[in-house]
Amino acid sequence: DTEVTQTPKHLVMGMTNKKSLKCEQHMGHRAMYWYKQKAKKPPELMFVYSYEKLSINESVPSRFSPECPNSSLLNLHLHALQPEDSALYLCASSQDRANTEAFFGQGTRLTVV
Amino acid sequence: GENVEQHPSTLSVQEGDSAVIKCTYSDSASNYFPWYKQELGKRPQLIIDIRSNVGEKKDQRIAVTLNKTAKHFSLHITETQPEDSAVYFCAASIIKAAGNKLTFGGGTRVLVKP
Repeated sequence: DTEVTQTPKHLVMGMTNKKSLKCEQHMGHRAMYWYKQKAKKPPELMFVYSYEKLSINESVPSRFSPECPNSSLLNLHLHALQPEDSALYLCASSQDRANTEAFFGQGTRLTVV
Repeated sequence: GENVEQHPSTLSVQEGDSAVIKCTYSDSASNYFPWYKQELGKRPQLIIDIRSNVGEKKDQRIAVTLNKTAKHFSLHITETQPEDSAVYFCAASIIKAAGNKLTFGGGTRVLVKP
């Protein structure tokens, strides 16, 4: 299994809603990532988890809250988002620093209304 | 922090011709340089990568070269085919135990005309 699975594929939420994005991998990878990608732009790193601990937070607003319940799962909790937060949210994973290839999920296309 | 510049932003080639995409990076400590291909509506997929202890790497029709002194690296696609049409992103990172923090270039939209 070389897949990173993200749910849901599409999400529309209001600015007062609370929602969560989910990411799962069963490749035994110990590093997991959240990226944000706006249309026609490159992915931008948001968070990195290494061995289930948050290791990098790229100064992301607190309305985005990551969580890594175990080595296979990564969540991104969303609360009080703004319309400008609408984007494709990509999850990725990599084995460890010796094996650096990052595998991306299909992404969740988020629209904030 | 790291800054990666990518050129050109769009590239149109005739099927069978070669395509070259160039990237420069700013942080001399960067030691890992992957290239991703992203088709419309799909996930980025790694097509080739290179580490800083290697100057060139080839995989069938795809090759990457790295010049550490000049801090630039390039992707070469030979004998292009219509299925090569996609957006290509270069990236740079420093391999760390804390995880692989990729900084991406702006992307190159490649169109291969049949």
